[in-house]
Formats: sequence, C-alpha cells, structure tokens
Amino acid sequence: ETGVTQSPTHLIKTRGQQVTLRCSSQSGHNTVSWYQQALGQGPQFIFQYYREEENGRGNFPPRFSGLQFPNYSSELNVNALELDDSALYLCASSTGLAGGLETQYFGPGTRLLVL
Amino acid sequence: DQQVKQNSPSLSVQEGRISILNCDYTNSMFDYFLWYKKYPAEGPTFLISISSIKDKNEDGRFTVFLNKSAKHLSLHIVPSQPGDSAVYFCAASVGEYGNKLVFGAGTILRVKS
Repeated sequence: ETGVTQSPTHLIKTRGQQVTLRCSSQSGHNTVSWYQQALGQGPQFIFQYYREEENGRGNFPPRFSGLQFPNYSSELNVNALELDDSALYLCASSTGLAGGLETQYFGPGTRLLVL
Repeated sequence: DQQVKQNSPSLSVQEGRISILNCDYTNSMFDYFLWYKKYPAEGPTFLISISSIKDKNEDGRFTVFLNKSAKHLSLHIVPSQPGDSAVYFCAASVGEYGNKLVFGAGTILRVKS
C-alpha cells in the first residue's frame, strides 16, 4: 500500500505567475484535502474534494482552485501568485467512510517560494 | 480567530520522563480531535485521535485526554524517547462538516538523552 505522494517537492515562482501542485491519494482513499502551512503556523484548510466534487472550502480566495480526478488524485492550482502564498502545501487523504470522524493521512508537502 | 490553541511553543523533557503537550479549543461543536507529529521536511504523521464521546484514548506510549467542560485536551508520552523530538500539532474537526481539520500552531518537543 502506497502512502500519499506529492509533486514537486520544491518550487520557485515569481509574483503573478500560476502554479499547479499534484497529489496522489493513499490507496483506497476517495477524499482529498489541501492545506497551506505558513512558517511557524499550523496547517490551514484550503478545500476538500470527495469523489471529484468540492466538499468544503476554507477562507481562501477564488484564485485557489482544485480538481480531483476519477483515480482520486488531485491538483491544487493557484493563480496570480502573491508573496504571501509562499508556504508548505500539504495534501491529505482519507477514506470518506466515517462521516467526518476519520483520520486524514498527509503527504510530505510541496514547498512553494514566491519571489 | 484561533479556534485551536497550543500555548506552549516548545517543551524540553529528559529521556524516560513524561511529556505532556496541551491544547485548548473554543468551538464547542468540535467532536473529533487528533494529534499529529511532524519532522522537518516531512508531512504531519497521525499519532492518535479521540472522539468527543470519550475522555481518554491510549495507544502504546501515547495517551490523549479530553476534558470537554474545560475545552482542553492533552497528549501524554510515557516514557519519552529522543526519537519523539518533533513538532506536535493538535487538530480538531466538526464531523458533520466533512472533516475540515483546524490545527493549532504546534509545540516543539525536545527529548534530551
């Protein structure tokens, strides 16, 4: 059984550019959540996808968007990058079976630096 | 508005002793609580969880206690080992709302040998 994987591991972009981050869920998981972790803070919820549909969104602007594919892998897209978007982006997957009372398993993250 | 707070940024403990990490929350609708451990350059690793119908859950060296009236939970690690040195995050969710996790800012635990 493979765990959650993310790509790329590191990325450098400039202000105004667009970025796509990718995540492969753990085997058997149909729910994926994305989090942003700024330096010195805990992860903050961006949004969640369940069976390819958005299933909740945190306090992030519309330039943060996502997709989940039929194989339950996922993408996070960020348009018009700002300096404050520099952070570790974490993807987490779960089974979607426990009505919310379940554990999310995290990938290693993608470190994004916006210059 | 910080709904989950970890008021101790760091904690230093001697190997073999007990480590106690604390977490407070403000949202009374939270019904599921988790602790994650994070090493540098890795994603958070799930440690232990507890639902609001329980007040204690134990898994090996790790025990989580939940005090709903005080809106407080704690993680006990006994005995502490040098490999436990990491950042520990407390997280909470409202199950009805689809499992969005709200995290605290983390506590750095250093276990000295």
